[in-house]
Amino acid sequence: GENVEQHPSTLSVQEGDSAVIKCTYSDSASNYFPWYKQELGKGPQLIIDIRSNVGEKKDQRIAVTLNKTAKHFSLHITETQPEDSAVYFCAASLNFQKLVFGTGTRLLVSP
Amino acid sequence: ETGVTQTPRHLVMGMTNKKSLKCEQHLGHNAMYWYKQSAKKPLELMFVYNFKEQTENNSVPSRFSPECPNSSHLFLHLHTLQPEDSALYLCASSQDLGDLNEKLFFGSGTQLSVL
Repeated sequence: GENVEQHPSTLSVQEGDSAVIKCTYSDSASNYFPWYKQELGKGPQLIIDIRSNVGEKKDQRIAVTLNKTAKHFSLHITETQPEDSAVYFCAASLNFQKLVFGTGTRLLVSP
Repeated sequence: ETGVTQTPRHLVMGMTNKKSLKCEQHLGHNAMYWYKQSAKKPLELMFVYNFKEQTENNSVPSRFSPECPNSSHLFLHLHTLQPEDSALYLCASSQDLGDLNEKLFFGSGTQLSVL
């Protein structure tokens, strides 16, 4: 079955810096890769996703890149703000079935 | 708000108690899910329901019993739990299953402590 590894487990940056979170997956058939943001006391919320037929996707300050050959994908946050502080989860699946999540990255953005 | 409401937000129970978690979605979705979130572990899928029918039981112990009376409501009945069952239990919904345009919407979860 699919296995997703996520790094780093914690990431501290200064406001305005960029943050990068990386994930690797094991099943080359996986074709859907979402990223979720979980704020304290809330459930995970989808922030961006990418399909395997696309190499990069952007939405304002966040972007996701996918390298199918290497089986890894990354979340990039530019111009970080304190409200970006949260736990971020990557996930992978085949056709949305049985999403497999990474272990999460706690991002702390200091003013 | 995500349109998925879970109650209660916090629950403390003894190992001999019976309790239920409730989830309600106001999004008109057809699929609902239970996930378990433990510290420093990936989210674990427990159950999936589509049009009220259970389509996935991810080898969950029988002390967890789901119920889906309609597409908007999902329950998780708990009995004789163990301390290691203490976790955040998340409910989620999606329009359907298996479509490439699907997105999961999560509730805020029930933080369960088993004493």
